[in-house]
Amino acid sequence: AQSVSQHNHHVILSEAASLELGCNYSYGGTVNLFWYVQYPGQHLQLLLKYFSGDPLVKGIKGFEAEFIKSKFSFNLRKPSVQWSDTAEYFCAVKNQAGTALIFGKGTTLSVSS
Amino acid sequence: IAGITQAPTSQILAAGRRMTLRCTQDMRHNAMYWYRQDLGLGLRLIHYSNTAGTTGKGEVPDGYSVSRANTDDFPLTLASAVPSQTSVYFCASSGLAGGDEQFFGPGTRLTVL
Repeated sequence: AQSVSQHNHHVILSEAASLELGCNYSYGGTVNLFWYVQYPGQHLQLLLKYFSGDPLVKGIKGFEAEFIKSKFSFNLRKPSVQWSDTAEYFCAVKNQAGTALIFGKGTTLSVSS
Repeated sequence: IAGITQAPTSQILAAGRRMTLRCTQDMRHNAMYWYRQDLGLGLRLIHYSNTAGTTGKGEVPDGYSVSRANTDDFPLTLASAVPSQTSVYFCASSGLAGGDEQFFGPGTRLTVL
């Protein structure tokens, strides 16, 4: 079965530190990949997505992600985090049937000021 | 424009009771989805609908049913609630079925005692 793995369960950073959250998916074919963010008490919002083309994708709020096909990875990065980035981050991939998204278990990011 | 609305916001329910969670979108999206979010498990797909009149089972469909009588509404019914259905439930929609960007509602927090 398809799956998405997020390596870090909880990441704690100080403001201005750099961020990289790992995401690996199991499906080897054409993939549509997403990163969503959930701020405390809110619903999920799209950060960025990759369907094709340039493997380095830029999203909102200074986030970017790099699709590396050979590694089945789609890691999320931000050069300098802010306290307001404290949230839960979910990686997702379209399933093979094309009917829905499969989400990872999420990574909680805590940023201290 | 509201996007996706869900009702109720939260609910405490006795085990064995029937409950319907409501979801309405005003974006004229074809596809709609129901997820449950549990700590440490991320989001898991319960049911989906690619278009009005059709529905499909997701990863965790047991104990839940859905209907899609029209484009805008996608109610989720728990016929006889059990404590393991205590969770936060998110409704989502997308313009295209499956791999397109999904937009999420604010969620319903359900507690089954």
